Amino acid sequence: KQEVTQIPAALSVPEGENLVLNCSFTDSAIYNLQWFRQDPGKGLTSLLLIQSSQREQTSGRLNASLDKSSGRSTLYIAASQPGDSATYLCAVEMDSSYKLIFGSGTRLLVRP
Amino acid sequence: DAGITQSPRHKVTETGTPVTLRCHQTENHRYMYWYRQDPGHGLRLIHYSYGVKDTDKGEVSDGYSVSRSKTEDFLLTLESATSSQTSVYFCAISGNRVENTEAFFGQGTRLTVV
Repeated sequence: KQEVTQIPAALSVPEGENLVLNCSFTDSAIYNLQWFRQDPGKGLTSLLLIQSSQREQTSGRLNASLDKSSGRSTLYIAASQPGDSATYLCAVEMDSSYKLIFGSGTRLLVRP
Repeated sequence: DAGITQSPRHKVTETGTPVTLRCHQTENHRYMYWYRQDPGHGLRLIHYSYGVKDTDKGEVSDGYSVSRSKTEDFLLTLESATSSQTSVYFCAISGNRVENTEAFFGQGTRLTVV
C-alpha cells in the first residue's frame, strides 16, 4: 500500500526566505508526482507535475525535484511572499492502477 | 479554469438517508476521482473511474458507491449516511497519459450528517 508523507506539517517563515517542502513515498512504482496548492475553503490547484522519468520541473519561483529510487520529492519556493501562504500537497499517481494518492500536506504561513 | 463542477456545494442531511453528490466535467477527461478531506487525514481516495462504467475502489470506499454512465458525470452515493461521513468531498479529473495532463479539482462539497 502506497503511503505518502509530508514534512513538516506546518511551517512559518518571514517574507523573502527561500524554503523547501518535503514529500516521501513508500512505493517507487509511480507514474508521476504532482504538487498542489490549496487555499482555505477552496479546491486544489496544480502547481507542478513531474513524470517518473524526470528529475525536476520549474515554474516561476517554484522548483520541484523527484528522486524516484529513494522515494522523495522536494518543492523549493524562492523568495517567499505572503501570497504563498496556503497548504501544499503532493500526490503520486500509481503506475499500474491510475490511483492518485495524497500526502497530508504542509501548511505554510509567510509572515510580512 | 478546467470545466469541473460539483453539486451541491453544501448539504445537511439526517443519519440514515441516502445522499448523491454529482461531479460534472466538460473536459472529456478519462479519469475521475472522488476524495474526502478531513482534518489530520489529508485527501483520501474513495473511488475512481478510468472510463464509462469502469470504476474501482480507493482506500476508504466502505459506505460509498459510484456510477459513471457517461464520460462527463461521476456520481458518489452514500446509501445510508452516517455522522462519520461528515466531510468535505472533492472531485478530480485527469486526462490520459499520452496527454500528460495534471489533475484538476472541483471546489468541493461540504456534507454534514446530523
